Amino acid sequence: DAKTTQPTSMDCAEGRAANLPCNHSTISGNEYVYWYRQIHSQGPQYIIHGLKNNETNEMASLIITEDRKSSTLILPHATLRDTAVYYCIVRVQVAQKLVFGQGTRLTINP
Amino acid sequence: DTGVSQDPRHKITKRGQNVTFRCDPISEHNRLYWYRQTLGQGPEFLTYFQNEAQLEKSRLLSDRFSAERPKGSFSTLEIQRTEQGDSAMYLCASRALQGWDEQYFGPGTRLTVT
Repeated sequence: DAKTTQPTSMDCAEGRAANLPCNHSTISGNEYVYWYRQIHSQGPQYIIHGLKNNETNEMASLIITEDRKSSTLILPHATLRDTAVYYCIVRVQVAQKLVFGQGTRLTINP
Repeated sequence: DTGVSQDPRHKITKRGQNVTFRCDPISEHNRLYWYRQTLGQGPEFLTYFQNEAQLEKSRLLSDRFSAERPKGSFSTLEIQRTEQGDSAMYLCASRALQGWDEQYFGPGTRLTVT
């Protein structure tokens, strides 16, 4: 699985868009980008994933650059409940395990 | 509640004792995963099952660790002769064999070895 690089921590004001970057410069053509988050004292929660097109669901949007070497997770209107550690994971779909890095600790401030 | 459940949520044990954790996956989820998470780190994969078959084990899973899923439903993770380094959160996840490949995680079992 490709390695990912994320900032250790970020802050965002409540109600604003939170943009979390992830670098994955060694990503292979068949590897997807996944995002999970982990709220304190809970198990990780799936957010979104994509291959090369931008994706949107009820939780977030995923923007993948054309060369696929980086991506951004966007939480459009962050709330206090979005405070969590966000993990960017790159893997092929047939792979079973998720390889987590240290993630980005996002703090939403009132 | 139809999510993944884990029992117990917390376990404190003395070094050298054996402990066993249980995971109940989402009903009809064929695949079940165990991860371990130490403080400040992301979860690390330990092993996974497809039905009752254990198909992959991490090198992290030393011979003191054993996982089972005897009937393809719930799973147990046993740690024998616990060491202080085993202190961690043990997470279980499950997913369906077909379709969406999202892994659903349980709340975890926090183990403290004193």
